[in-house]
Amino acid sequence: ELKVEQNPLFLSMQEGKNYTIYCNYSTTSDRLYWYRQDPGKSLESLFVLLSNGAVKQEGRLMASLDTKARLSTLHITAAVHDLSATYFCAGGSGGSNYKLTFGKGTLLTVNP
Amino acid sequence: GAGVSQSPSNKVTEKGKDVELRCDPISGHTALYWYRQSLGQGLEFLIYFQGNSAPDKSGLPSDRFSAERTGGSVSTLTIQRTQQEDSAVYLCASSLRGQGLTQYFGPGTRLLVL
Repeated sequence: ELKVEQNPLFLSMQEGKNYTIYCNYSTTSDRLYWYRQDPGKSLESLFVLLSNGAVKQEGRLMASLDTKARLSTLHITAAVHDLSATYFCAGGSGGSNYKLTFGKGTLLTVNP
Repeated sequence: GAGVSQSPSNKVTEKGKDVELRCDPISGHTALYWYRQSLGQGLEFLIYFQGNSAPDKSGLPSDRFSAERTGGSVSTLTIQRTQQEDSAVYLCASSLRGQGLTQYFGPGTRLLVL
C-alpha cells in the first residue's frame, strides 16, 4: 500500500525567501502529482511528474521527481503572498495509477 | 470550458438520514473518482469509475456507502443511515482516462451530520 509523507506540515515564510517542500513515498509510484488548495476551495492541479528526473516549473514553483529515492520536491523561489495555500503531493497507484494517495498537505503562509 | 461540478455545495443532515451527493464530470472524461477530505483522515480515495463500471471500490468506508454512474457521465454517491463520522468534504474528480492522467477536482460537497 502506497504511503505518502510530506514535510514540513506547516511553513511560514517571508516574502522573497526560498524554500522546499519534501514528499516521500513508500513504494513504487510512476506518477507524482502536486496540487494546491486555497481555504474553502477545491484542489487545483499544479504538476504531474511522470518519470525519474522529471522537472517542471511554473512561475515561482518548481517540482522534481527522483523515483530511486522515492522523493519529490516542490521548490518555491522568492515567495509572494499569493502563494499562501495548502500544497498536497499525491502518488498514483492501482493498475493504471488512477488511485491517488495524498500526503497530509503543507500549509504555506507567506508573510509580507 | 466547464469544470467538474458538484451539488449540493453544502448539506446538513440528521444522524440516521440518507443523503445523495451528485457529481457532473468534465464532458468527455471517461474516468471519475470520489474522494473524501476530513480533518482527521486527510484526503482519502473512495471509488473509481471507468465509464459506468467501478473497478475499484476499495476506499468505501462501509456498506452504508454506495455510488453509481449512469450514461458515462453523472455520478451519485449515496450514504445511508448517516453517522457523525461521515461529516467531511466529498470531492469528485474526473480525468480523460483512468491512466494516471491529471485528475480535475470539483468544488466539493461539505456534509455535516448532526
